[in-house]
Amino acid sequence: EAGVTQFPSHSVIEKGQTVTLRCDPISGHDNLYWYRRVMGKEIKFLLHFVKESKQDESGMPNNRFLAERTGGTYSTLKVQPAELEDSGVYFCASSQELRGELFFGEGSRLTVL
Amino acid sequence: EDQVTQSPEALRLQEGESSSLNCSYTVSGLRGLFWYRQDPGKGPEFLFTLYSAGEEKEKERLKATLTKKESFLHITAPKPEDSATYLCAVQAGAQKLVFGQGTRLTINP
Repeated sequence: EAGVTQFPSHSVIEKGQTVTLRCDPISGHDNLYWYRRVMGKEIKFLLHFVKESKQDESGMPNNRFLAERTGGTYSTLKVQPAELEDSGVYFCASSQELRGELFFGEGSRLTVL
Repeated sequence: EDQVTQSPEALRLQEGESSSLNCSYTVSGLRGLFWYRQDPGKGPEFLFTLYSAGEEKEKERLKATLTKKESFLHITAPKPEDSATYLCAVQAGAQKLVFGQGTRLTINP
């Protein structure tokens, strides 16, 4: 069974540019989450999808971040325009049940110069 | 506000030297406490979920315990391959996990 896959593994962009991160959850997992870890800080929640619906987006830092999950399968997280403080590692996770184990991808490292 | 504090930040042990990692938490309505292992450049890998005070779970050389205020991850006779960052997270009323900063464990051969 394939795990959670994320693309790209590393992206380097200039301040003001746009970046789109993609996450493919484990097949059959309705719950999809985005988290991120900025330098020196703990991993923090960004948002939660149940199928194609946003269940909780309380962790999204501002309106420069846009997450979508069309058709309830893969998800994208777009940052536009990127700022220096957006640098970090963005993790995607999925789960079958609401209460239980989250399976994480290897993360997408974003560097904004 | 839900909060998780892990200690120590880093721990260096000799192979075979047992120890414990601490996770203190404050949360309104704990639904679960999770331990994850993270290797450099990888995503967190699930280890245990604990749901209520007094619960214990074991996996190989690892044993996790839970009280009303904290959780311990006990490592018995560790090996170099146990070197990793160990993350603690709590799940409260919402579905999201609140993570601690992690404990970076190094086991020297």
